[in-house]
Amino acid sequence: SAVISQKPSRDICQRGTSLTIQCQVDSQVTMMFWYRQQPGQSLTLIATANQGSEATYESGFVIDKFPISRPNLTFSTLTVSNMSPEDSSIYLCSVEGGSGAYEQYFGPGTRLTVT
Amino acid sequence: EDKVVQSPLSLVVHEGDTVTLNCSYEVTNFRSLLWYKQEKKAPTFLFMLTSSGIEKKSGRLSSILDKKELFSILNITATQTGDSAIYLCAVTTDSWGKLQFGAGTQVVVTP
Repeated sequence: SAVISQKPSRDICQRGTSLTIQCQVDSQVTMMFWYRQQPGQSLTLIATANQGSEATYESGFVIDKFPISRPNLTFSTLTVSNMSPEDSSIYLCSVEGGSGAYEQYFGPGTRLTVT
Repeated sequence: EDKVVQSPLSLVVHEGDTVTLNCSYEVTNFRSLLWYKQEKKAPTFLFMLTSSGIEKKSGRLSSILDKKELFSILNITATQTGDSAIYLCAVTTDSWGKLQFGAGTQVVVTP
């Protein structure tokens, strides 16, 4: 399975500011996924990021609030913009297994607290 | 609307007990069902199931899928305190790569 790293591991931010989360994979992958897990909730997909094209956002998530970059096949960033306390969550990136395997593997996550 | 429902939402067992977790789903164009274990932040992959009736095993954990009745179970035998975690079930459909998660089952194993 791919080895995935995320930075930062955690952060505490003030409302109205923005935070960019980085996701790095140790192998080239076609798709990368960004999920959010609000406190006490399950995971919800924010968007799918393909290299060289605009990210595809799920219902309820918009590019102005969660801009995503995917400059190459091993890296992606998610920005949480103009943050409010409701954005306090764990943010996770994931990739599908290689060699035709379709299971998804998750990065270690970023725990964001907005005050 | 697609649904993934896990039960129970939580349970407490003693070390050595056997645990059975349930996941039922109603989705369009089912492709696979996945189980994850979440202890802190990152979910850890356990199993992916695509075919009915074929049990997947890893140590004390096993899982099986019933595509006719639209559910899966995850069994943990001889539970240990290290099995304490949230167990997540997720389903993929023809929408490439998207995982739709259930609410999870919180398992607490007491010594």
